[in-house]
Amino acid sequence: EPEVTQTPSHQVTQMGQEVILRCVPISNHLYFYWYRQILGQKVEFLVSFYNNEISEKSEIFDDQFSVERPDGSNFTLKIRSTKLEDSAMYFCASSPTGGARAFFGQGTRLTVV
Amino acid sequence: AQKITQTQPGMFVQEKEAVTLDCTYDTSDPSYGLFWYKQPSSGEMIFLIYQGSYDQQNATEGRYSLNFQKARKSANLVISASQLGDSAMYFCAMREGMEGTGNQFYFGTGTSLTVIP
Repeated sequence: EPEVTQTPSHQVTQMGQEVILRCVPISNHLYFYWYRQILGQKVEFLVSFYNNEISEKSEIFDDQFSVERPDGSNFTLKIRSTKLEDSAMYFCASSPTGGARAFFGQGTRLTVV
Repeated sequence: AQKITQTQPGMFVQEKEAVTLDCTYDTSDPSYGLFWYKQPSSGEMIFLIYQGSYDQQNATEGRYSLNFQKARKSANLVISASQLGDSAMYFCAMREGMEGTGNQFYFGTGTSLTVIP
């Protein structure tokens, strides 16, 4: 079965640094998402992306965050000036129709020190 | 109000027995989708089952079935013949609106299932 691929699987960064989390969605999918899960807590929506623009974003997704689909295949999440509370598992997901099923990647565990 | 409520933080089940994980949802949108995901200790999110709000039949996928009670706004997951590999966190989620809207998924807080040999 095709899968969503995320890199790196684990990233450690110093507070204040910028990080880019990368995702390769499933090739014929049209909708893309980023979610995060702080350790031991529930999965929270960050942003959805369709037709090369943000379609929805949560209050968590402030100016510190940005998303891009630079080359038609990769889908990236950039976090500027990371804070300790940004430490979490970040999941990328894609969906063919924006509905019946979202395929999640294996996640990137971000640790800010 | 919470969109998705999972009231069981932890559950235990004997191997080969069936177990029901509870999920209630809150929405005023007549169109929505309900999902269950499994998250093993390795961290990935694995899709298990989907139920659309207009589906007449309860969804089934192998050993997983979704007990959809629309009037009660509940979408419980039933796992039959539990296996040791079923030990994981289980998340209920909901998407409001029709398919194709790309709307976000709302997740519950999860239920940790432990299968006892």
